[in-house]
Amino acid sequence: GAVVSQHPSWVICKSGTSVKIECRSLDFQATTMFWYRQFPKQSLMLMATSNEGSKATYEQGVEKDKFLINHASLTLSTLTVTSAHPEDSSFYICSAPGTGGLETQYFGPGTRLLVL
Amino acid sequence: SQQGEEDPQALSIQEGENATMNCSYKTSINNLQWYRQNSGRGLVHLILIRSNEREKHSGRLRVTLDTSKKSSSLLITASRAADTASYFCATALNQAGTALIFGKGTTLSVSS
Repeated sequence: GAVVSQHPSWVICKSGTSVKIECRSLDFQATTMFWYRQFPKQSLMLMATSNEGSKATYEQGVEKDKFLINHASLTLSTLTVTSAHPEDSSFYICSAPGTGGLETQYFGPGTRLLVL
Repeated sequence: SQQGEEDPQALSIQEGENATMNCSYKTSINNLQWYRQNSGRGLVHLILIRSNEREKHSGRLRVTLDTSKKSSSLLITASRAADTASYFCATALNQAGTALIFGKGTTLSVSS
């Protein structure tokens, strides 16, 4: 089946630094990818839709200048958390829809970010 | 935004018992999916039910969908300790390829 990977799986950084998270579709092309955020003991919240070759679409309340999304190729989307603060500490998960009109979404394993 | 509510928020049962989780949603959907998440890990897709389907089975899982009530239920029969996890329903509002909107989840604890 289709596989989505994320890198890194976890990262610890100092407040004020920027962190880049990669989401790759390993054996299929994804013109669209989705980024979710999950705080401890909470559900997944959609942050943004990443579109290959065009600007990302952000959900209400998500700062586009803080969470930079780049979808430079059909297999890679990156999320950069700029000037990270402790409140950005969370579990970030990406997904890509199946190809051929399939309804299944393929989720990455997630990236745990801890900002000190 | 969150699409739905799930209940119960937490459920504790003994091995061998059945576990039922419910999910309600607010808008019309194309399909509804259930996922499992072990603590601190990624999501595992369990089952998908389309809006024109009423019931679906997969192994020990049974999912029902009532579009008139905008609700779904997930039944896990003969539960095992390994079923301990958080379970989320997620809805797709449109055709294939759209983002999923997740419910708040049910935390299931199965003790042996």
